[in-house]
Amino acid sequence: AQKITQTQPGMFVQEKEAVTLDCTYDTSDQSYGLFWYKQPSSGEMIFLIYQGSYDEQNATEGRYSLNFQKARKSANLVISASQLGDSAMYFCAMRERGNSGYSTLTFGKGTMLLVSP
Amino acid sequence: DAEITQSPRHKITETGRQVTLACHQTWNHNNMFWYRQDLGHGLRLIHYSYGVQDTNKGEVSDGYSVSRSNTEDLPLTLESAASSQTSVYFCASSESRRGRETQYFGPGTRLLVL
Repeated sequence: AQKITQTQPGMFVQEKEAVTLDCTYDTSDQSYGLFWYKQPSSGEMIFLIYQGSYDEQNATEGRYSLNFQKARKSANLVISASQLGDSAMYFCAMRERGNSGYSTLTFGKGTMLLVSP
Repeated sequence: DAEITQSPRHKITETGRQVTLACHQTWNHNNMFWYRQDLGHGLRLIHYSYGVQDTNKGEVSDGYSVSRSNTEDLPLTLESAASSQTSVYFCASSESRRGRETQYFGPGTRLLVL
């Protein structure tokens, strides 16, 4: 079973509208972290937002918020007031501690977001 | 400003050659990681290190090796390059502290194996 599932290969949104990118995860760990990264066409990976499994409030960073539903094992990214510069690939990732005792990230396959004027 | 750099940014090599990709970070992070990115697969972990002299295999480690002789560098070596190793390679680093361990990424290296 995939540890991180992003079911939307592509999403379209109009400028200034809000958009939700879906992410579900699978882990048996009690302590884990969820991340979202943005990859624009230039290729770099940009950290956007983090949610810890014990955080009681949903994380927010400017126009980005993370809708964390622990019981449903979902960690959706919400982008408010979309801008043309938000057009990019978005990756959800989960940090968990493996058998080695070290924490590693597992990434989803990504969602391509296109923002139209 | 602290940063993480990768070199070369683009590399073309032939099947069977040994290739080394460099990764250098000035964040003074203990943890460093190598990923490959292929269409339809997202990013997959190749090797990682949680400190000097420490190295660990990731999900797709066959055909790759790393060594960690100092905090700043984690070079990735392809022992005998194969066409299946054509990919974009990302290096990342994070600090060791309880909590986020957010990974910050280098700009990537595009490798083509002919």
